[in-house]
Amino acid sequence: QSALTQPASVSGSPGQSITISCTGTSSDVGAYNYVSWYQQHPGKAPKLLIYDVTNRPSGVSNRFSGSKSGNTASLTISGLRAEDEADYYCSSFTASNTRVFGGGTKVTVL
Amino acid sequence: EVQVLESGGGLVQPGGSLRLSCAASGFTLSTYAMGWVRQAPGKGLEWVSGINGPTTYYADSVKGRFTISRDNSKNTLFLQMNSLRVEDTALYYCAKYVTEGTALESWGQGTLVTVSS
Repeated sequence: QSALTQPASVSGSPGQSITISCTGTSSDVGAYNYVSWYQQHPGKAPKLLIYDVTNRPSGVSNRFSGSKSGNTASLTISGLRAEDEADYYCSSFTASNTRVFGGGTKVTVL
Repeated sequence: EVQVLESGGGLVQPGGSLRLSCAASGFTLSTYAMGWVRQAPGKGLEWVSGINGPTTYYADSVKGRFTISRDNSKNTLFLQMNSLRVEDTALYYCAKYVTEGTALESWGQGTLVTVSS
């Protein structure tokens, strides 16, 4: 199972909006509405931000939103803040009943 | 409060075995899907294995070498790792799936496994 494709890095200024893409195939992202997004700060465990493409767990800021079109899912962070600087990973359910992660995107707040 | 706490990591030689444990608190482990995810030093996340009811799932990279299981009486999840390889070196996270079973919502801090001679 190949990893989902994410840009290595994305940057933005405070207050701006940025979008991270996550490209898979018709056997994972394109086939199921089971895409999730995770935030990981250095030395910390990942934190769930979005599940089932668009759902936010309780306590997650509404500045984080998810979407999907075809084989590509996206995470948008609006009103970018310094504390959003972290690594972000997407994940999808797959046709073989496993899960696959993206390679990760480093977000830098300028 | 929902918590998971991993243990059992350490240094092991190539070809050796190790069993990781994940003690759950604040929820009944048997009623949720659970999973293991690993992260090699400086690298990204890699899904390793999952268990949902009696059904288990494995990444191709560990299939046939790793076994996931749980002891409901102890509210503990396990990962038995055999025939370990240098490339299995990573921080291993245990995590609880959301109710729908589609995403990992509660993560531990991880336990480090180092495979080296």
